[in-house]
Amino acid sequence: RKEVEQDPGPFNVPEGATVAFNCTYSNSASQSFFWYRQDCRKEPKLLMSVYSSGNEDGRFTAQLNRASQYISLLIRDSKLSDSATYLCVVNIYNQGGKLIFGQGTELSVKP
Amino acid sequence: SQTIHQWPATLVQPVGSPLSLECTVEGTSNPNLYWYRQAAGRGLQLLFYSVGIGQISSEVPQNLSASRPQDRQFILSSKKLLLSDSGFYLCAWSSSPLGQLNTEAFFGQGTRLTVV
Repeated sequence: RKEVEQDPGPFNVPEGATVAFNCTYSNSASQSFFWYRQDCRKEPKLLMSVYSSGNEDGRFTAQLNRASQYISLLIRDSKLSDSATYLCVVNIYNQGGKLIFGQGTELSVKP
Repeated sequence: SQTIHQWPATLVQPVGSPLSLECTVEGTSNPNLYWYRQAAGRGLQLLFYSVGIGQISSEVPQNLSASRPQDRQFILSSKKLLLSDSGFYLCAWSSSPLGQLNTEAFFGQGTRLTVV
């Protein structure tokens, strides 16, 4: 079983749609959680951290369920510029802060 | 402010040739350092990570090795490249995890390696 698993994608949605990405992790020692965005042929960049109580940043909402070892990202009113690959990331604290990435879910927002 | 430098940006190497990719971080001390590889259309695979000078953890058996000769320098090497070593290699750093949760990773711009 992979340490971090995401929806396989790709997701093709019209502008203005709401889209949700799911992610599960297997290591219960995971302490920190993030969503990264990666544009085509570029390096990943942090989109947002995921806090236990859930957090929102504009059109983006992240949720964490530690009991189920599940993370989600919700994008509302999607824009053309949201087209990218979204990567779920966990930080395994008791392994020296090792960062494990999911395989990513590709999002394509169409006009 | 902290910055991460990775070079070269693009590299074409013949099978059997050696490899050396370098990554340096500025503006921080004792960072966690990482080498990832991303094959075409695939996710990021953690190759090596280091929590300090001379401390290297290898995640997958492979044709590559890593070294950390200085606190803010991380080198990825191979003695003889294989075709399967082609990919997008990314160096990253994060703050020491001690007492710091939710510390993000910062990536270099990556090296696109093609082995021919």
